[in-house]
Amino acid sequence: QKEVEQNSGPLSVPEGAIASLNCTYSDRGSQSFFWYRQYSGKSPELIMSIYSNGDKEDGRFTAQLNKASQYVSLLIRDSQPSDSATYLCAGVSNFGNEKLTFGTGTRLTIIP
Amino acid sequence: SAVISQKPSRDICQRGTSLTIQCQVDSQVTMMFWYRQQPGQSLTLIATANQGSEATYESGFVIDKFPISRPNLTFSTLTVSNMSPEDSSIYLCSVGDPGGNQPQHFGDGTRLSIL
Repeated sequence: QKEVEQNSGPLSVPEGAIASLNCTYSDRGSQSFFWYRQYSGKSPELIMSIYSNGDKEDGRFTAQLNKASQYVSLLIRDSQPSDSATYLCAGVSNFGNEKLTFGTGTRLTIIP
Repeated sequence: SAVISQKPSRDICQRGTSLTIQCQVDSQVTMMFWYRQQPGQSLTLIATANQGSEATYESGFVIDKFPISRPNLTFSTLTVSNMSPEDSSIYLCSVGDPGGNQPQHFGDGTRLSIL
């Protein structure tokens, strides 16, 4: 079974520090990965996409992908209390379907 | 990205009844999906809603329990049939484009409680 795994947390990070969220996947066919942020009681909101090995930066967010190690991560620099949410990692295989497989999510709390 | 509207936003239903959830998109989209998110859990794909043909269901989900319609490229419905307390969840509609590199975007969800 194709799986995406995340540490469920909770992960507590002081305000202003770097939050590091990690995700591993079992399906070597997975080519595209997405990070979603979900506030309590809200629906998931896309914050980053990554398709190639290496780093991709967007503002305070950096996504990292290592296909050889089957590992995806999200770094949040200068963490703010508004970053407190559950972060969901999701992968999709390019081989014939666009179905997302979600990890269980990591609950992040930024401590003022 | 597309604006996705789901109705109702929440409902409380009696066991044994059925509820139909609507998902309306403000532009034509190729792919529409229905997910369930049980309390404290991640998202589980129920089915892919196919325009003009039967939905494609994931393992553990069947058409009799979760009938889906998709009459056009901007609208889909999910019905939760013969509800039991175990169906209490958030149901989410998402949309995307084919190609594997295109992300999915979610509606606000329907929070369903079964008494």
